[in-house]
Amino acid sequence: DSGVTQTPKHLITATGQRVTLRCSPRSGDLSVYWYQQSLDQGLQFLIQYYNGEERAKGNILERFSAQQFPDLHSELNLSSLELGDSALYFCASSLDTYRYNEQFFGPGTRLTVL
Amino acid sequence: SQKIEQNSEALNIQEGKTATLTCNYTNYSPAYLQWYRQDPGRGPVFLLLIRENEKEKRKERLKVTFDTTLKQSLFHITASQPADSATYLCALPGRRALTFGSGTRLQVQP
Repeated sequence: DSGVTQTPKHLITATGQRVTLRCSPRSGDLSVYWYQQSLDQGLQFLIQYYNGEERAKGNILERFSAQQFPDLHSELNLSSLELGDSALYFCASSLDTYRYNEQFFGPGTRLTVL
Repeated sequence: SQKIEQNSEALNIQEGKTATLTCNYTNYSPAYLQWYRQDPGRGPVFLLLIRENEKEKRKERLKVTFDTTLKQSLFHITASQPADSATYLCALPGRRALTFGSGTRLQVQP
């Protein structure tokens, strides 16, 4: 158990809908990262937050947004969903923002868009 | 552009043998490299970090080498066991964040 929690585990929704994925980092970790992993692609970095502020952005679509709250949990919002958004979404956390720090991954949320 | 290459074909070996997985990269000058293990449907788990000034690092049955001239890291599992079957990902610090390779699936046959 990494100490990172994600909810929900599974999410099935329809095209055009909006969903929110939630992540709680390990106790003491200030950085939260979001990744997307689909079958034909590897782990794709979406966005990083550090202590409530956006720190780095990957290839995150404009339809997607995230935030980190004062209690350090984070939410990833996906809107106007398309079939291609079906994937595993992972949250990871690390102690601080140094890129050499190991990341601790949550169990993921499997999103299915029908 | 920056690229990380791991063998996309699965590696099948017999129990007890040494598994060797390769990670090649281009257009990176990484100060370090990380290896993770991922089981199907689960999040990656950190295994080892090796810095550019370390040629080799060991942890129990795992050994990682890092050749910055060849731009390559090798990941070895000695005395492999069926429980080692998983996908192994290498990761390097990119311009914005840690960037992961697509991974190599290892299958250890009993």
